[in-house]
Amino acid sequence: KNEVEQSPQNLTAQEGEFITINCSYSVGISALHWLQQHPGGGIVSLFMLSSGKKKHGRLIATINIQEKHSSLHITASHPRDSAVYICAVRGSGGTSYGKLTFGQGTILTVHP
Amino acid sequence: GAGVSQTPSNKVTEKGKYVELRCDPISGHTALYWYRQSLGQGPEFLIYFQGTGAADDSGLPNDRFFAVRPEGSVSTLKIQRTERGDSAVYLCASSPGRTSGVQETQYFGPGTRLLVL
Repeated sequence: KNEVEQSPQNLTAQEGEFITINCSYSVGISALHWLQQHPGGGIVSLFMLSSGKKKHGRLIATINIQEKHSSLHITASHPRDSAVYICAVRGSGGTSYGKLTFGQGTILTVHP
Repeated sequence: GAGVSQTPSNKVTEKGKYVELRCDPISGHTALYWYRQSLGQGPEFLIYFQGTGAADDSGLPNDRFFAVRPEGSVSTLKIQRTERGDSAVYLCASSPGRTSGVQETQYFGPGTRLLVL
């Protein structure tokens, strides 16, 4: 079992729909990141969370530390949101403090 | 300011050859990370530098892989005797560094696409 699991692996939506991507992890963490990767493009950090909830525009990220679970929500989805969304966790101490462990990514396609 | 840059953007080489991949982090960032992303997969950690030293190299798959950061800024990932299985996108990221005292976002470069024929 991977340390970071995302679901679903693939997600197709119609423009305007509310989207949720889930991430579960099995290790102690100091922070959780949500990242966006467009085809052929680099990775952009969307959120970094250690507790609670963050919102940026149409994007909302939540984390439940006790349940080791995070969700990324997109409201009023748009075709330009089509990308791979990756959950990554940062270790909680020692030499693992810096490195990120990634989920396999969720491929989101939003149709007009 | 300039983001993380990586060169070359694409590299095609033959099995058995030696390659070097370069990463220029954001100026002033003391922490630098190398990751590898195979097709259809999430990135995998390779090595993490804090300053000039490798704080964690547990992700390097074998002794064909080596990375340096001699002056604490630019880093080079070196792969000896390349194999077809080394084909992947090699990503570099940087962050301000643990001593900054703030939780840190990692800023990713565009990656180097390595193809070993």
